Amino acid sequence: GQQVMQIPQYQHVQEGEDFTTYCNSSTTLSNIQWYKQRPGGHPVFLIQLVKSGEVKKQKRLTFQFGEAKKNSSLHITATQTTDVGTYFCANSNSGYALNFGKGTSLLVTP
Amino acid sequence: NAGVTQTPKFRVLKTGQSMTLLCAQDMNHEYMYWYRQDPGMGLRLIHYSVGEGTTAKGEVPDGYNVSRLKKQNFLLGLESAAPSQTSVYFCASRETSGWYNEQFFGPGTRLTVL
Repeated sequence: GQQVMQIPQYQHVQEGEDFTTYCNSSTTLSNIQWYKQRPGGHPVFLIQLVKSGEVKKQKRLTFQFGEAKKNSSLHITATQTTDVGTYFCANSNSGYALNFGKGTSLLVTP
Repeated sequence: NAGVTQTPKFRVLKTGQSMTLLCAQDMNHEYMYWYRQDPGMGLRLIHYSVGEGTTAKGEVPDGYNVSRLKKQNFLLGLESAAPSQTSVYFCASRETSGWYNEQFFGPGTRLTVL
């Protein structure tokens, strides 16, 4: 499947700081999804992006899809301890299955 | 609605033993998936099904078999467990309409093979 690379692998921030994770591909993606997995939990869908240059916001979370549709980012403004977890990007060019990145683990200390 | 459920939640096996993991969904979804999650490896697709009676291989299918005899159930079998199969296993399902690919995940099964 099409590989998506995520950076960084880990990020440790103080509560209130911003956080960004990046998802990159060497080829054009038809869409990108983002999931969040809390420690000990299961992945939960956050959002899907399909259009070139698309930007979507969910409260303090901002999701972007690059103009060339080869990269995406998730930015969290003013992190809170509830943001702790691993954030995965995934793409589905086949229409059947998702290819997940390896995730970015976010730790927020109060 | 219970969503996606998985049985059992935890299991310890000895090398060579067999077991079946059960996934059930009550959302009438056509597509179902089995993933394994290992530290630093993300989620890797084992097998998936696009409808009752159909199955297909994913990225890491070796050592696993699956069956989809009923639309709501997707079974994952390990015929002869190996320590390399120690992992957390997640089942997921989704609708098929359009490009809305949201997958709904079960709570996971933590399997240890000694």
